[in-house]
Amino acid sequence: AQTVTQSQPEMSVQEAETVTLSCTYDTSENNYYLFWYKQPPSRQMILVIRQEAYKQQNATENRFSVNFQKAAKSFSLKISDSQLGDTAMYFCAFMNTGNQFYFGTGTSLTVIP
Amino acid sequence: DTEVTQTPKHLVMGMTNKKSLKCEQHMGHRAMYWYKQKAKKPPELMFVYSYEKLSINESVPSRFSPECPNSSLLNLHLHALQPEDSALYLCASSPREANTEAFFGQGTRLTVV
Repeated sequence: AQTVTQSQPEMSVQEAETVTLSCTYDTSENNYYLFWYKQPPSRQMILVIRQEAYKQQNATENRFSVNFQKAAKSFSLKISDSQLGDTAMYFCAFMNTGNQFYFGTGTSLTVIP
Repeated sequence: DTEVTQTPKHLVMGMTNKKSLKCEQHMGHRAMYWYKQKAKKPPELMFVYSYEKLSINESVPSRFSPECPNSSLLNLHLHALQPEDSALYLCASSPREANTEAFFGQGTRLTVV
């Protein structure tokens, strides 16, 4: 089974500053997909960004970018210009070609005004 | 239509009751998932259906019984639940072939009394 680990249970950042959330995973597969999801108190799980393992280029989506290190099995999320609406639980997630989809332990992010 | 719709939003049931959770999507997705999420914890994968066939059962107790009557609908039948089964139950779907991200419903908040 795949495991996904997020070593930071809680983090905080000042509004407009930059924060990086860490994620490591363990798999023996070569083809897979990685995601960051956001879950605000409304509990809706929202996709933030995705990365295909076969792509070397790091994904970017507006203020969100990832640092994907395949050999190290590391997938961190950088949030630039943090906004109050970014306050949420952030989950790193892994999907393999068999559609097994697993979440990391989560990081609770608070953006401070 | 890019929504996954779950009903009901809230459910309270006794330990001897039988109830069902419903999940519906009209995006043509052929993989559908059930997750259980406890407070401040990540979603735990329960079942995966691929092309209306059960492909993954993560050793879930038999008091949870999934059903996929057609490609748009996923049910979770509940019987003889325990108070510790109280949680948020999330449904998700994804395009089986493309291995893109999963789209999530807003969940059913289940309380077992």
